[in-house]
Amino acid sequence: QITLKESGPTLVKPTQTLTLTCTFSGFSLTTNAGGVGWIRQPPGKALEWLALMYWNDDKRYRPSLKNRLTLNKATSENQVVLTMTNMDPVDTATYYCAHLSPLHHVDFWGQGTLVTVSS
Amino acid sequence: EIVLTQAPGTLSLSPGERATLSCRASQTVSNNYLAWYQQKPGQAPRLLIYGASSRALGIPDRFSGSGSGTDFTLTISRLEPEDFALYYCHQYGSSPRTFGQGTKVEIK
Repeated sequence: QITLKESGPTLVKPTQTLTLTCTFSGFSLTTNAGGVGWIRQPPGKALEWLALMYWNDDKRYRPSLKNRLTLNKATSENQVVLTMTNMDPVDTATYYCAHLSPLHHVDFWGQGTLVTVSS
Repeated sequence: EIVLTQAPGTLSLSPGERATLSCRASQTVSNNYLAWYQQKPGQAPRLLIYGASSRALGIPDRFSGSGSGTDFTLTISRLEPEDFALYYCHQYGSSPRTFGQGTKVEIK
């Protein structure tokens, strides 16, 4: 059974760096079994794809945010860390991590974590 | 970037009726890598359909997906009370991946 859970601060100040951790179980990023993606959803708005990391460490970022986003595996093999620099109030959103199936689609989602950017 | 346009924005129907949701892509979706998700308030999205027409595990057969290229459709054959929700299409055939703006299916 695949599960994912996001963790990190609920409130960050403008210009600060956001660090979110996705802790997962039921799959491994060290074998050919898909990957992990990050998606966000501002309050009352649509979903927005941010970044993904495949099992082979191939990483893709949303072009408009590429300079602000970094994805890395944590020291623990079942964690992925998303870093987003220079946070702005428009970045206020629920941030989801998700499992990418070997067929490339997102099949499982974390519960999401609401991050508010405010001074 | 592929832009996905969903129509209509809101669909007002009664339980038992048929729902037809459209998703049109600005460019051909590679390999028909098009998925549909259902989202209820305060919840994460749930996968319904992938590969344009393959139903995800545990999804009732009243949900079906069709289409190819740039035009895709999600059909709910007979609406159940729990089907009233927000629906998103998502293309994962090209980078960056993109989502549509959503269709809300509401009770008439």
